[in-house]
Amino acid sequence: AQRVTQPEKLLSVFKGAPVELKCNYSYSGSPELFWYVQYSRQRLQLLLRHISRESIKGFTADLNKGETSFHLKKPFAQEEDSAMYYCALREDSNYQLIWGAGTKLIIKP
Amino acid sequence: ETGVTQSPTHLIKTRGQQVTLRCSSQSGHNTVSWYQQALGQGPQFIFQYYREEENGRGNFPPRFSGLQFPNYSSELNVNALELDDSALYLCASSNRQSGELFFGEGSRLTVL
Repeated sequence: AQRVTQPEKLLSVFKGAPVELKCNYSYSGSPELFWYVQYSRQRLQLLLRHISRESIKGFTADLNKGETSFHLKKPFAQEEDSAMYYCALREDSNYQLIWGAGTKLIIKP
Repeated sequence: ETGVTQSPTHLIKTRGQQVTLRCSSQSGHNTVSWYQQALGQGPQFIFQYYREEENGRGNFPPRFSGLQFPNYSSELNVNALELDDSALYLCASSNRQSGELFFGEGSRLTVL
């Protein structure tokens, strides 16, 4: 079965430190991977997707098919990055999204 | 541009009752999907509607049903409520091909 695993429920780093939120997936087809973010008292929103290969708010994520990973990285964390981050995989057959359990990122001043 | 709106925001029901949750899609979107999010968990896909037809369903029993209307708004109906149905129910709209979901703020259901 297709799965998305985010091994860390909570990640706490100091401001200015590098951040890496891990995401591993299992899927037999060609996956499309996303990172969604939920800031405090806001709704879930798209942060980035692997096909766009963009850097959003300083975050990047590279799809590694060999390691079946899509880790989210930022070289220098900011306090406003504190949020809940979800990795999601979209099946190529029916557009359904499969979600990880999420990682709560806390940036300490 | 109007975002995704959901109603009601909070509701309390008792076991065995039925509930209807509503969602208005973002303007220009033709696809609506519903998710159940239990406390501390990621969203779980319930189903998706495209052009008024269900075209994808997660691992939820038939007592979870839905509708999509010609204006692309949607309803989620849950019959014979169980205690485990207590959760945040999220609606998201999108254009089918784009993959970017636009979420509402959710309806928090408590079943007593």
